[in-house]
Amino acid sequence: DQQVKQNSPSLSVQEGRISILNCDYTNSMFDYFLWYKKYPAEGPTFLISISSIKDKNEDGRFTVFLNKSAKHLSLHIVPSQPGDSAVYFCAASVGGSQGNLIFGKGTKLSVKP
Amino acid sequence: DTGVSQDPRHKITKRGQNVTFRCDPISEHNRLYWYRQTLGQGPEFLTYFQNEAQLEKSRLLSDRFSAERPKGSFSTLEIQRTEQGDSAMYLCASSFDRVTEAFFGQGTRLTVV
Repeated sequence: DQQVKQNSPSLSVQEGRISILNCDYTNSMFDYFLWYKKYPAEGPTFLISISSIKDKNEDGRFTVFLNKSAKHLSLHIVPSQPGDSAVYFCAASVGGSQGNLIFGKGTKLSVKP
Repeated sequence: DTGVSQDPRHKITKRGQNVTFRCDPISEHNRLYWYRQTLGQGPEFLTYFQNEAQLEKSRLLSDRFSAERPKGSFSTLEIQRTEQGDSAMYLCASSFDRVTEAFFGQGTRLTVV
């Protein structure tokens, strides 16, 4: 069973508009969430994270929102740029000192000029 | 370059052969992780080390897989008697204590023919 779900395999957005990537989780023990960006033939690159004690974290054009009651988080990219085109993975952890990040299957974002 | 380095980047092998991959973590990082990513999936945890001690192994790590980190620096992942189902991207990551602050390498793409 998948504990971290990204139900949209792909998303296409026009340059300058907002991109919203969604992620749902089932394990209520998760207390830290991360978003990674991955280009083809490269490893995942950390983008932004949020602790379960917060409901929002912002870093430049990237904002992550966490809704614990709905077990849902989302990544907002505003404004979207063609260089943002990549696969985005949501990941979760139970206690940051554990060895295991649980990843979703990813959402492929295409930002069209 | 002080990032996580993996070697080789690509490996093609015949079914039944043994393969070994190497990972050099960021030098001051005490933790090293191995993940596997297959097509259409997110990275899946295999195992992790704190210094030279292997602290956790996933059930994905069958008896044909073995990982070592003999001096607490670089690590090797060996797959014996490779099968076509072993074809995947093998990702290494390292961190100082917290997995939520891990940096990933570029991965080794294994193709078993």
